[in-house]
Amino acid sequence: SQKIEQNSEALNIQEGKTATLTCNYTNYSPAYLQWYRQDPGRGPVFLLLIRENEKEKRKERLKVTFDTTLKQSLFHITASQPADSATYLCALGNSGGYQKVTFGTGTKLQVIP
Amino acid sequence: KAGVTQTPRYLIKTRGQQVTLSCSPISGHRSVSWYQQTPGQGLQFLFEYFSETQRNKGNFPGRFSGRQFSNSRSEMNVSTLELGDSALYLCASSQGRNTDTQYFGPGTRLTVL
Repeated sequence: SQKIEQNSEALNIQEGKTATLTCNYTNYSPAYLQWYRQDPGRGPVFLLLIRENEKEKRKERLKVTFDTTLKQSLFHITASQPADSATYLCALGNSGGYQKVTFGTGTKLQVIP
Repeated sequence: KAGVTQTPRYLIKTRGQQVTLSCSPISGHRSVSWYQQTPGQGLQFLFEYFSETQRNKGNFPGRFSGRQFSNSRSEMNVSTLELGDSALYLCASSQGRNTDTQYFGPGTRLTVL
């Protein structure tokens, strides 16, 4: 069955460092992958989408890579700030006309001042 | 533009009861997806509606059902509640194409006693 694993339940990092979060998947051939941020008591907020034919995407301090051979995506936050503390979710989507994404369980990032 | 709204925000029910949750999408969005989020299972896809039709369904029992109205508002119903149905129920709206950004509401926290 399809499985999506995010590297750890929690990740602590010092302010100013680069945070790297991992999303691995098995038994899946996604057409695209998304990253979301979720704060306590709130719904997820979309951050970035990367398609299967793209290797890397950037948005401000965020960078996402997608390796379909390794079946892995890496999500980087450079110059991390305490305000980046949140849970980050990866989600995989199939090709097709309608939306159905499968979410990982998330990684809780804590940026320590 | 107003965001996705969900009502009620909190709900307490007892086993065996039924519950109806409501979701109002962003104006102009025709797709509404529903998700269940629990600490153990993460975010799991329930179903997606587009123009009043269910386009896709996750692996949930028939006790979970939904519908969408002509104004794109959607409701989700859970009958014969079980303790394990306690969760955060999130809806997300989008324009409906596969890779369109999903905008999540704040969720309804359902507690089953």
